[in-house]
Amino acid sequence: RKEVEQDPGPFNVPEGATVAFNCTYSNSASQSFFWYRQDCRKEPKLLMSVYSSGNEDGRFTAQLNRASQYISLLIRDSKLSDSATYLCVVNKSGTYKYIFGTGTRLKVLA
Amino acid sequence: DAGITQSPRHKVTETGTPVTLRCHQTENHRYMYWYRQDPGHGLRLIHYSYGVKDTDKGEVSDGYSVSRSKTEDFLLTLESATSSQTSVYFCAISFGREQFFGPGTRLTVL
Repeated sequence: RKEVEQDPGPFNVPEGATVAFNCTYSNSASQSFFWYRQDCRKEPKLLMSVYSSGNEDGRFTAQLNRASQYISLLIRDSKLSDSATYLCVVNKSGTYKYIFGTGTRLKVLA
Repeated sequence: DAGITQSPRHKVTETGTPVTLRCHQTENHRYMYWYRQDPGHGLRLIHYSYGVKDTDKGEVSDGYSVSRSKTEDFLLTLESATSSQTSVYFCAISFGREQFFGPGTRLTVL
């Protein structure tokens, strides 16, 4: 089993839709969680860190469920420009090691 | 913008030749990382550095070596390139617990 698992998609959604992705992790000692966005042939860019209490940044909301060992990303009012691959990243407690999921591809359709 | 540059951005080389990729940062960050990204895999850590002359291996370090003789530069060397090392290579720095990536180097080994 992979340490971090994501549904590869693609998720094809119309503009204005709400879409949610989940990411599961296997190591309960994982401490820090992140969502990155990666456009085709570009570097990953930090979208948001995920805090235990959940956090929101504009149209994006991230949640952490430690009991079930997953994090989620909700995108409201999807824009064409949201089309990208979303990477889930987990940092193992006490290490400099970051474990990346393989990403979930989102296509927002006009 | 985390001030990270990578060179070269693209390289085509032949099997058996040595290759060095350079990562340069301008903001004096202590921690630097080299990853490779391949289809079907998340980003995988090759080596990381926690200071000048302080480096450690990641999960896919075989066939790679690194050097960090000054804070701003982290070099990745493929001693004798193989076709399995064809990949996109990303350098990263970490600031707090968040990572920021360079633009990547696309390496093709023929």
